[in-house]
Amino acid sequence: AQKITQTQPGMFVQEKEAVTLDCTYDTSDQSYGLFWYKQPSSGEMIFLIYQGSYDEQNATEGRYSLNFQKARKSANLVISASQLGDSAMYFCAMREYSSASKIIFGSGTRLSIRP
Amino acid sequence: DVKVTQSSRYLVKRTGEKVFLECVQDMDHENMFWYRQDPGLGLRLIYFSYDVKMKEKGDIPEGYSVSREKKERFSLILESASTNQTSMYLCASSSTGTGLSTNEKLFFGSGTQLSVL
Repeated sequence: AQKITQTQPGMFVQEKEAVTLDCTYDTSDQSYGLFWYKQPSSGEMIFLIYQGSYDEQNATEGRYSLNFQKARKSANLVISASQLGDSAMYFCAMREYSSASKIIFGSGTRLSIRP
Repeated sequence: DVKVTQSSRYLVKRTGEKVFLECVQDMDHENMFWYRQDPGLGLRLIYFSYDVKMKEKGDIPEGYSVSREKKERFSLILESASTNQTSMYLCASSSTGTGLSTNEKLFFGSGTQLSVL
């Protein structure tokens, strides 16, 4: 069964430092997609980045990049040069191609940026 | 601008009441989802639907049912609300697209905070 694990309930990082948020997943499918979402204190869910299982290169979107290690089943989010506005909950999610659009989430990591 | 609308931001109900949470999307998306969000547990999938009148159980369907009579509307029903169903409920939708891609990202509503007393 598919499963997403985020082992860091909370993190504190100094402003302007880079930060890595961990995500490991479990699936028996060869075809799947991985997503990261940000949830600020306002509660809205903001899509950040996507990685397909067959994508050969790590996904990047501005300051966000995804460190995809398929053999280790990890999809860590890297935020470069963190900003105060990056303080939020971050969720990793996965969709298996065989699961009729089902998308599951991890338990999340609360990131706090110190000025 | 794309939109997923949940009918209520806050809802207070009594145990044993039948509760309806409504969700409407205006993006002609095939897929719709109901999640509940609890501190420390993240988002847990209750039910999802990939087409009109089609529904699939998620990871925690017990105590819930759903209805999708029209493509744009997905309703979550608590047949007999209980205090352990107090939670934030998030509706989302996505396009099937042409296969696994960023086009399958979820669009979320603003959530319904349900309190069952």
